[in-house]
Amino acid sequence: AQTVTQSQPEMSVQEAETVTLSCTYDTSESDYYLFWYKQPPSRQMILVIRQEAYKQQNATENRFSVNFQKAAKSFSLKISDSQLGDAAMYFCAYRSPNSGGSNYKLTFGKGTLLTVNP
Amino acid sequence: KAGVTQTPRYLIKTRGQQVTLSCSPISGHRSVSWYQQTPGQGLQFLFEYFSETQRNKGNFPGRFSGRQFSNSRSEMNVSTLELGDSALYLCASTRGRGGTDTQYFGPGTRLTVL
Repeated sequence: AQTVTQSQPEMSVQEAETVTLSCTYDTSESDYYLFWYKQPPSRQMILVIRQEAYKQQNATENRFSVNFQKAAKSFSLKISDSQLGDAAMYFCAYRSPNSGGSNYKLTFGKGTLLTVNP
Repeated sequence: KAGVTQTPRYLIKTRGQQVTLSCSPISGHRSVSWYQQTPGQGLQFLFEYFSETQRNKGNFPGRFSGRQFSNSRSEMNVSTLELGDSALYLCASTRGRGGTDTQYFGPGTRLTVL
């Protein structure tokens, strides 16, 4: 079974600074998908960024980028120019390859609570 | 395009009762997954439905069940509620075409069992 570990329960960053959230995972599969989701106090889970394991290039979405190290099974999220609105719980998640259009089960880490200080 | 909707948003029940939660996916989405979120256990996968068929099930007791209708709307039912069932229940919908489909989450239903 796949497991996802987020070793930082809490992190804080100053507004406009950069912060990196860590995530490691364990799997025997060679093809899979990795995600970072953000859950603000409103509890709505929002996709931040996605990485396909077969792609060597690290995904980026505006101020958000990942450092994907497949051999090390590491998937960290870097938030640049942090904003007050980035404050939220961040979850790293793993998903196996799809089979016949199904199998969208996500395995989540425990989350990292990010505080942004003005 | 409307997002994923979940009803009700808040629910208070007592032990032993049963509850039904509803999830309406984004129009055109055929796959719906359910998750339970608690402070202690985090986010745990309950089940996944695709075209009215349960394709995947998490490690939950048989008191937890679900179904999907022909319009892709899904319901989950919890019978004989226990205090430990208090949680935020999230559903997520996906197009169901495989590959890099994105899962879109609803706002959740907060269930409190007294």
